[in-house]
Amino acid sequence: AQKVTQAQTEISVVEKEDVTLDCVYETRDTTYYLFWYKQPPSGELVFLIRRNSFDEQNEISGRYSWNFQKSTSSFNFTITASQVVDSAVYFCALGHGSSNTGKLIFGQGTTLQVKP
Amino acid sequence: NAGVTQTPKFRILKIGQSMTLQCTQDMNHNYMYWYRQDPGMGLKLIYYSVGAGITDKGEVPNGYNVSRSTTEDFPLRLELAAPSQTSVYFCASKVLGKAGSYNEQFFGPGTRLTVL
Repeated sequence: AQKVTQAQTEISVVEKEDVTLDCVYETRDTTYYLFWYKQPPSGELVFLIRRNSFDEQNEISGRYSWNFQKSTSSFNFTITASQVVDSAVYFCALGHGSSNTGKLIFGQGTTLQVKP
Repeated sequence: NAGVTQTPKFRILKIGQSMTLQCTQDMNHNYMYWYRQDPGMGLKLIYYSVGAGITDKGEVPNGYNVSRSTTEDFPLRLELAAPSQTSVYFCASKVLGKAGSYNEQFFGPGTRLTVL
């Protein structure tokens, strides 16, 4: 079965702290894709990153970085020097590459609050 | 491009009423999706479509219907609204992409529906 678990329901940090959002996934597929989306208070979902199962290289984009580890089935997201504008709900999602439907399975989301 | 647009933004229904949530995308995407997001939960897939004339059920299809007569439009129909359908509804679309790829989904702004 396909499943995504974001065990952290809510995280609260003070501005400029680093914070890591955890994502653990389950799949039997050898080809799969992982995504992170951000949902700010305004409500829309914003795509952040996509990673396929054959690419375990970590990625950095500005203050954001992602650590993909197949050995632990995790795809964690770190925000360095957090800012108030990072306050949002963050979703991790899984797509199985053997399907041609493009369907995604979402985790429950982690609410990040960054206090000034 | 307007991207994915949804109407209405908000709606209050009485139990037993029906309504159609509209979704339109102008990116010529083949794939379209309807999700619902309940408080504190991730997104659950209601229905999806891989092209005009083709639709299929997702994880939580009961109480809903869809149609896809054009590439651009993917309306979601609620028949006999129930309080359990109180939720935020998101429409999404994605491009077909090359074989083996798994492109990200683009989301609309959402429709907040309350059934009383």
